[in-house]
Amino acid sequence: QSALTQPPSASGSPGQSVTISCTGTTSDVGGYDYVSWYQQHPGKAPKLMIYEVTKRPSGVPDRFSGSKSGNTASLTVSGLQPEDEADYYCSSYAGGNSLVFGGGTKLTVL
Amino acid sequence: QLQLQESGAGLVKPSETLSLTCTVSGGSISRNSDYWAWIRQPPGKGLEWVGAIYYSGSTYYNPSLKSRVSMSIDPSKNQFSLTLSPVTAADTALYYCGSSHNGERIDNWGQGALVTVSS
Repeated sequence: QSALTQPPSASGSPGQSVTISCTGTTSDVGGYDYVSWYQQHPGKAPKLMIYEVTKRPSGVPDRFSGSKSGNTASLTVSGLQPEDEADYYCSSYAGGNSLVFGGGTKLTVL
Repeated sequence: QLQLQESGAGLVKPSETLSLTCTVSGGSISRNSDYWAWIRQPPGKGLEWVGAIYYSGSTYYNPSLKSRVSMSIDPSKNQFSLTLSPVTAADTALYYCGSSHNGERIDNWGQGALVTVSS
């Protein structure tokens, strides 16, 4: 069960769009439509932003969207706002009622 | 909305046992769609899934920790617990408990409990 691969950093200016990738294998990302994304601000607990690849929990702005192709999932944040600056983590179901997380991406709003 | 709160010792000596409890409020821990999970985050690092337990008592552990971890659940108190033994400095982390829908995501998170392993 190896960690999913995310870029360590991403950035964009207010109003722009940014996409963060999350690469796994056929045993996790590629094998199930159970990819989730979490936002974590400094000193805070993570917050679920996307689940089942594309779905948003109630209260999450529609600026956040998810997708998947093969073994790679992506989170797109459109219309970047200053409050979007945070760490973002992906996770995937990995079979046997287990989860695996990505290493995290620090998103900077320039 | 579920609320989860971790509690337990914040300082543990190397080779001893880490013990944490998560108290769930705002809903029953016996809901049949939910698993109850532990996730940890070493200082300045990423998230690691530690494991999960179902209300029936079935457990699922991260293979890298399986030989040292144990989880239990107490529906009468709406609590579930984590033990990790023996610990080393590498187990120093913020430990989060969470609710996990069908085991495939973490919907609700506790605020986290910092556990430091040091003599």
